[in-house]
Amino acid sequence: GQNIDQPTEMTATEGAIVQINCTYQTSGFNGLFWYQQHAGEAPTFLSYNVLDGLEEKGRFSSFLSRSKGYSYLLLKELQMKDSASYLCAVTRDDKIIFGKGTRLHILP
Amino acid sequence: EPEVTQTPSHQVTQMGQEVILRCVPISNHLYFYWYRQILGQKVEFLVSFYNNEISEKSEIFDDQFSVERPDGSNFTLKIRSTKLEDSAMYFCATGGGGGANTEAFFGQGTRLTVV
Repeated sequence: GQNIDQPTEMTATEGAIVQINCTYQTSGFNGLFWYQQHAGEAPTFLSYNVLDGLEEKGRFSSFLSRSKGYSYLLLKELQMKDSASYLCAVTRDDKIIFGKGTRLHILP
Repeated sequence: EPEVTQTPSHQVTQMGQEVILRCVPISNHLYFYWYRQILGQKVEFLVSFYNNEISEKSEIFDDQFSVERPDGSNFTLKIRSTKLEDSAMYFCATGGGGGANTEAFFGQGTRLTVV
């Protein structure tokens, strides 16, 4: 089976930096996705990590450590529109399994 | 920009009725998925489909569910006899244009309400 853990909720201030952690336990791990989901909308793709290390894409960066079963999503220069749920998802074989998501609240 | 299209956006059906949810994948994608999300809960995997057959399915995907690509383009999810607990947002996702699981893009979802 698979187990994916991420914090349920986080709060940060506009303009600040926030790190959302995700730990996972799964057999046959291929890679790890991060998705953003605004309330009532579909998840939108942010990143996909296969190899260890940090991948940067604008204000968002994603890190993976395969040996530790650990990933984080780093959001810089937070904006109010970043208020959303952030979903960690692992891939194995032909399926993508999602964690419960972290609801991020941004304060002005 | 290519996108995954789902129809209908909303569907209300009576318990026990059959529903078919439709998805038009991004054209060069090879992997297709259905997920559901009950209000306030996490996104749950239902089934993945590759090379015209189911490659993985979850415990949720029981005999009441089926998927097919009837015309090589649309990808459909059928629920034969809906139950109240089938009420959820159903998302289609497609990926694999650059290899399995390199990216997966979601449609906007179909909100199914069973009454």
